[in-house]
Amino acid sequence: DAGVTQSPTHLIKTRGQQVTLRCSPKSGHDTVSWYQQALGQGPQFIFQYYEEEERQRGNFPDRFSGHQFPNYSSELNVNALLLGDSALYLCASSTGHTDTQYFGPGTRLTVL
Amino acid sequence: GIQVEQSPPDLILQEGANSTLRCNFSDSVNNLQWFHQNPWGQLINLFYIPSGTKQNGRLSATTVATERYSLLYISSSQTTDSGVYFCAVGQSNTGNQFYFGTGTSLTVIP
Repeated sequence: DAGVTQSPTHLIKTRGQQVTLRCSPKSGHDTVSWYQQALGQGPQFIFQYYEEEERQRGNFPDRFSGHQFPNYSSELNVNALLLGDSALYLCASSTGHTDTQYFGPGTRLTVL
Repeated sequence: GIQVEQSPPDLILQEGANSTLRCNFSDSVNNLQWFHQNPWGQLINLFYIPSGTKQNGRLSATTVATERYSLLYISSSQTTDSGVYFCAVGQSNTGNQFYFGTGTSLTVIP
């Protein structure tokens, strides 16, 4: 049983560019959440997707957008990259409101 | 949102020692998990424990939901226990959104 997978592992971009990160949830899971983790901080919730719709959103600007596909995989898009967007981006999958969340290995984004 | 405070922020232990990590949260929750983040950034599930006590080998956890805190106990620590431990909480009315603390950084010295 494959766990949560994310791609790519690392990414280097320059300011103003756009980036797309990908996540495949754990088998049997239908809900995908995205988190941003800055160095030395705990992860911060970006948004959550369920049934191909954004169900909940944290305090992040509209430059951050996402998508969920019929197979439950998800993408996170960030436009007009800023230096402050450099972080580890984590994807978590789950099912239901109280089940355990499982995290992927993350994508480390560096913006130069 | 829910405020989550973890203590201590940093902990250095000799191999074989025991430790207690604490997580306080500001509102009622129905979802609480403890994670260990390894040096590569992977968050590894330790416990799903919105209430009660659980044990898994050298690790155990207790959550007292009515008093809004959770404890993670590590016994006979090993160097492989080093890393950052996070507590994350959630409420049913916000789906599975997690609020994370700032973590406890544990270093176990041989």
